[in-house]
Amino acid sequence: DTEVTQTPKHLVMGMTNKKSLKCEQHMGHRAMYWYKQKAKKPPELMFVYSYEKLSINESVPSRFSPECPNSSLLNLHLHALQPEDSALYLCASSLIKDRADYGYTFGSGTRLTVV
Amino acid sequence: DQQVKQNSPSLSVQEGRISILNCDYTNSMFDYFLWYKKYPAEGPTFLISISSIKDKNEDGRFTVFLNKSAKHLSLHIVPSQPGDSAVYFCAASGYSGNQFYFGTGTSLTVIP
Repeated sequence: DTEVTQTPKHLVMGMTNKKSLKCEQHMGHRAMYWYKQKAKKPPELMFVYSYEKLSINESVPSRFSPECPNSSLLNLHLHALQPEDSALYLCASSLIKDRADYGYTFGSGTRLTVV
Repeated sequence: DQQVKQNSPSLSVQEGRISILNCDYTNSMFDYFLWYKKYPAEGPTFLISISSIKDKNEDGRFTVFLNKSAKHLSLHIVPSQPGDSAVYFCAASGYSGNQFYFGTGTSLTVIP
C-alpha cells in the first residue's frame, strides 16, 4: 500500500456544524501533515505530527483541531468554520520528519465548502 | 513573502516537443527541491527531486536542472505527451527541514 487515503472527498458544511476530515496511511510513515490549498495558490502547511505528537502548528485558528490517534491515522476536526475556510485540504505523510530527501506522499484531498 | 516562485502561470506545448518549466527561489539555505504534478481534484504526485550537491537529475522523460548560483531550477519533459497536461509545482526545503515551500504552479497543456 503506497497511498494516503483521505475521506470524505467532498464536504459541504454550515458555519455551525462540527465535522471531521480523515487521513490514513499504511506505509509505516511516522510524520503526517495537513495542508490547505486555495484555488490557484500553493499548498500551505497547517500542522505536522511526528510520532503521533503535534510538532508544528502554523498559527492555525482553533476552529481547526488536529488529532493523531495512532501512527496510521490523522484527523482534522472542524468547528464553527467560516466561508473563507473553503479550500482543498491535503494530507501528506513522510517516512520521518526532518528528512526532506524522502519527500512526501500526498492524499487526493478533501474539497471543503463552508456555507 | 514567496520564497519559491514560478513566474509562468501557464504553458502550452505541442505533443512530442520539449516542455520547460521554471522555478526560482530566494532562500540560499534551501538544498533540496522537488517537482510535483497535480491533476484537478487530486493531491500532488511526486515527480522528481534534486539535492544541492547535484546540478542534474534524470528520470525517464523528466529531467530537473539546478543552477544554485542563479537560485533557479527547471523541469524538462521530453517528449511531452497529452497525459502530461496538469499543474506542476516546484517545492524547496532545507535538507534537514520538514516543511516544503511551494511555488504557485504552472499549468501545462500538451496539445495533441
